[in-house]
Amino acid sequence: AAGVIQSPRHLIKEKRETATLKCYPIPRHDTVYWYQQGPGQDPQFLISFYEKMQSDKGSIPDRFSAQQFSDYHSELNMSSLELGDSALYFCASSLVSSGYQETQYFGPGTRLLVL
Amino acid sequence: ELKVEQNPLFLSMQEGKNYTIYCNYSTTSDRLYWYRQDPGKSLESLFVLLSNGAVKQEGRLMASLDTKARLSTLHITAAVHDLSATYFCAVQETSGSRLTFGEGTQLTVNP
Repeated sequence: AAGVIQSPRHLIKEKRETATLKCYPIPRHDTVYWYQQGPGQDPQFLISFYEKMQSDKGSIPDRFSAQQFSDYHSELNMSSLELGDSALYFCASSLVSSGYQETQYFGPGTRLLVL
Repeated sequence: ELKVEQNPLFLSMQEGKNYTIYCNYSTTSDRLYWYRQDPGKSLESLFVLLSNGAVKQEGRLMASLDTKARLSTLHITAAVHDLSATYFCAVQETSGSRLTFGEGTQLTVNP
């Protein structure tokens, strides 16, 4: 079965640089979520989109922005990178409009290292 | 603000033993999920619990939900080494909303 695809899988950036992370949800899923997981921590919600509209916003820094495109893929744009942005970034997708089970399926993650 | 607490945070057990991981949460919700994460890997969905009294079992793992007590448990039966991983519970307040995760329980099963 198709899974959530994320690219790139690994990314190394310098401080103050920008980065773009991409997410391709499971086909026919209508909701995309972004989470950030620091070393030894639990995943923290950043932002989500339902049918290409922002549906919820969590602890996402103002330096970050995200959008979902007409083909349902999503991109997380990160600017003025800081050392503390080094983390594993997960995208998850779910089918909310099914009205029942809405398991969020997680992608493999993008490991971002800021030097 | 929704809070989700797991205990224990670290669990070292011998193969063949049984143990339970607890997940408490602070809001009324009947949507609770359990995930498994291997080091540096993604989160794998284990169980979805959507109503009070829900019980689900898969292999040596069994999860239950008590919405009145705001408590979920993940019971491990006759542990084997392959179960070594970090287990997260996560609560979803409403349909389509974010997941709020517990701190995770790092399980190590020793031969």
